[in-house]
This record gives sequence, C-alpha cells and structure tokens, in this order.
Amino acid sequence: DAKTTQPNSMESNEEEPVHLPCNHSTISGTDYIHWYRQLPSQGPEYVIHGLTSNVNNRMASLAIAEDRKSSTLILHRATLRDAAVYYCILRGGAQKLVFGQGTRLTINP
Amino acid sequence: DAGVTQSPTHLIKTRGQQVTLRCSPKSGHDTVSWYQQALGQGPQFIFQYYEEEERQRGNFPDRFSGHQFPNYSSELNVNALLLGDSALYLCASSKGNPLVGEAFFGQGTRLTVV
Repeated sequence: DAKTTQPNSMESNEEEPVHLPCNHSTISGTDYIHWYRQLPSQGPEYVIHGLTSNVNNRMASLAIAEDRKSSTLILHRATLRDAAVYYCILRGGAQKLVFGQGTRLTINP
Repeated sequence: DAGVTQSPTHLIKTRGQQVTLRCSPKSGHDTVSWYQQALGQGPQFIFQYYEEEERQRGNFPDRFSGHQFPNYSSELNVNALLLGDSALYLCASSKGNPLVGEAFFGQGTRLTVV
C-alpha cells in the first residue's frame, strides 16, 4: 500500500480557511486520493476524492499537485464542527481503506 | 435512510470469551468491511464481505471471523478474547467501484475486554 504522510496536528480559527497537507511521493498513476474525517465519538466520514484535477464539493476542496506527489484538503471557512481527525488515503484498486495516523484539527472559537 | 447501523454500541467481555458484533449496511449497499480502531490510532482493516464471501482480509488472526447474510448484513466474531482486542470496531458499507466510491461508516461498537 502506498504511504501518505500528514502532520500530526494543526490548529486554526473559526471562520478562517484551513489547508491540510498530505505527502504521497510513492503514489502510482492509478491511485485515487481520498480524504475521510472522523469527528469525536463517531465513525469516519467521506470528505472528497480526486485523481489528477482539483475537485470541489459542498464540504471541501482538494488541490492536487501537478506531479501528484502531494495534495491539500481545503476547508474554506472552518467551523467548530470541523474539529476532527482528517485522514488522507490512497486507493489503487484494493478494496480496503488504509488509514494512517491522520491530522488532528483543532478549531479555536 | 438509517445509514450503517451497528449493535451493540458498547460491550464488556471477559478474557477468553467469544463475542459477536452486528452490522446493517446502508440501503442499497452490497459490500461490508470491518475495521478495528485502537485508542489514538487510525482504523485497521480486518476483512471485507461481498456476495456472502470474504473478498479481502487484513493482518488479523483466525480468531477473527465473519459472515455476510443474503440481506447484506454482516457479523464479526472474535473468539478467545484477549485484553488487546479492546477497541472500537467499525463497520463500513459501500457499493460499486472502490476507487471512486465512498464508504459509509457506522458509529462503531466499543468492546472492552477485562
């Protein structure tokens, strides 16, 4: 399984944008980049995914580097409800999701 | 839509006992995966069921077994419980191409082995 590297923790302020980085230097051409988040006392939830182009949905944006060796999850305007552990995951055909340690995001009011 | 439902929510068992956890997938989903999440760690893949067969398995001993029923619901069984089996057990359901599909997770079952 291709590995991802994320900072252990990040902190931001409410109503400000948040940029969560992920490095995946061993990504293969067919790996999709998925992001999940896990709020306290809940199961993980899907956030967004992409292959090469930047992606937007109602929750967030995903910016993918041109060489695909890194990506950034962007929360445009963080709220207290966005405090969670964010996981960056590569999916290349295996059925399973391989979770790392993720980034624990703290939002200050 | 009730989403993925798991039961029970909490469970306390004694070392050496056996436990069965249950999962009902999101409506329309045919694939069920189980994950174990130790405190402070990311979830670890146990196995996945599709069409009542185990399709993929993670690095877990044979004490961990499962089953999928014709209605797509699933059970996770753990025999000869160890203290180290204490964790949050998560069930996820999905449908279609895993490369682009999203997995929906339940709230989990918190298992404590004493």
